[in-house]
Formats: sequence, structure tokens, C-alpha cells
Amino acid sequence: NAGVMQNPRHLVRRRGQEARLRCSPMKGHSHVYWYRQLPEEGLKFMVYLQKENIIDESGMPKERFSAEFPKEGPSILRIQQVVRGDSAAYFCASSPQGSGTGELFFGEGSRLTVL
Amino acid sequence: QKEVEQDPGPLSVPEGAIVSLNCTYSNSAFQYFMWYRQYSRKGPELLMYTYSSGNKEDGRFTAQVDKSSKYISLFIRDSQPSDSATYLCAMSVDNQGGKLIFGQGTELSVKP
Repeated sequence: NAGVMQNPRHLVRRRGQEARLRCSPMKGHSHVYWYRQLPEEGLKFMVYLQKENIIDESGMPKERFSAEFPKEGPSILRIQQVVRGDSAAYFCASSPQGSGTGELFFGEGSRLTVL
Repeated sequence: QKEVEQDPGPLSVPEGAIVSLNCTYSNSAFQYFMWYRQYSRKGPELLMYTYSSGNKEDGRFTAQVDKSSKYISLFIRDSQPSDSATYLCAMSVDNQGGKLIFGQGTELSVKP
């Protein structure tokens, strides 16, 4: 009965490198959401994806960030040319359908540190 | 002004106390209200979910929503040390899917 699986749990990158964060939703869930949690701040919505489609990317920074959820395999959040301000915990959540109710199941997060 | 305001605490109470956690919000379009609990270095887990105004009770937890005041509360009765965590309120508009707006979170510590 696996929950939402995220990896890596911890990632260290130097400025200018790329970070790739992966998320496998709960079994039977086809909707994936990415949130970012900066120190001393609450969770901020980034993007909502279904298989092969980006539904809502209104919370994604305009540059360097991209997300995908391919037909096969996990969802990937990609950050190019990382900067120190990208250091945060990135959480993935999933739901069994487009949840108008907000009932999301979160993974344990990937903690990115940019040196 | 933030869309959702939540006192970050920290809040420290003795075991057995009644805990009251609150959030205010500014967007009258919010219809769904949630409380998530987040233990240190873990992901948030859904505690309570309420649609529109009213109360909802689940064991030691009671969630209240007052849409006229744009104010939501979570009460924890007979608090336990295992309740020590950060509590996040979250809200969404009908058609926003999983786009939740979270409060900053209140850090709660229940002392034995």
C-alpha cells in the first residue's frame, strides 16, 4: 500500500547545475501536484498535471522550472541553472481524480540545497 | 496582505489541554477548507476537510468554518504529546482542482 513516493529525499546542487525531482503517485491516482515549501513559509502551489498534460502551471516560475508527467513513469520537476533561492522542500501530491475538494495525498518531500 | 493568514506560533500547551488553531482568509470564493498536520521533515497529511460553513467532528478533532467572518478553526481536545506537529490550514475554490492555498502553519508542542 505504497503512498506517494518521491526521490531523491535530499539533493545538493551547486549554483548553475540542474535538479531533477521525481514523484510516483499513489496507485490508482492519475493527478499530480507539485508544491514548494520555503523556510518559514507555507506550501505554495506550483503545477497540476495529468498524464501527458499540464492542467495548471500558474504557480511555476516563468524561467528555469518545468514539469512533466509522461504516459509511463514518474512525474518530474526539473529546475535548470539552480540558484540559492531554489533551496526548499518540494512536495508532490496526488489525487484519484481532479479533486475539487482539496483531498490530496502528499509525499515526504525532496529537500533541495543549493550551494 | 496574504490570502490566508495563520499565526505561526509556536504554541506550547500541557498534555490534556484544549488547543484552538485558527486561520483567516480574504477570498470569499473559497468553498473547501482543510486542516493538514505535518510532522517534522515529513509531508503534510489531511486531518479534516469541510465544505462551506459549519462544523465537523472526528474523534478529538473539531473543525469549524464561519464563511461570514472568513474564519476557520481547528480544536483539539485532550491534547497528547503525539499531537506535537505543525498544523496547516488550506483552502480551495470550487473549480481549482488541487490548487490549495495554505496558511503558514502553526507549530504546536504538547508537553507531557
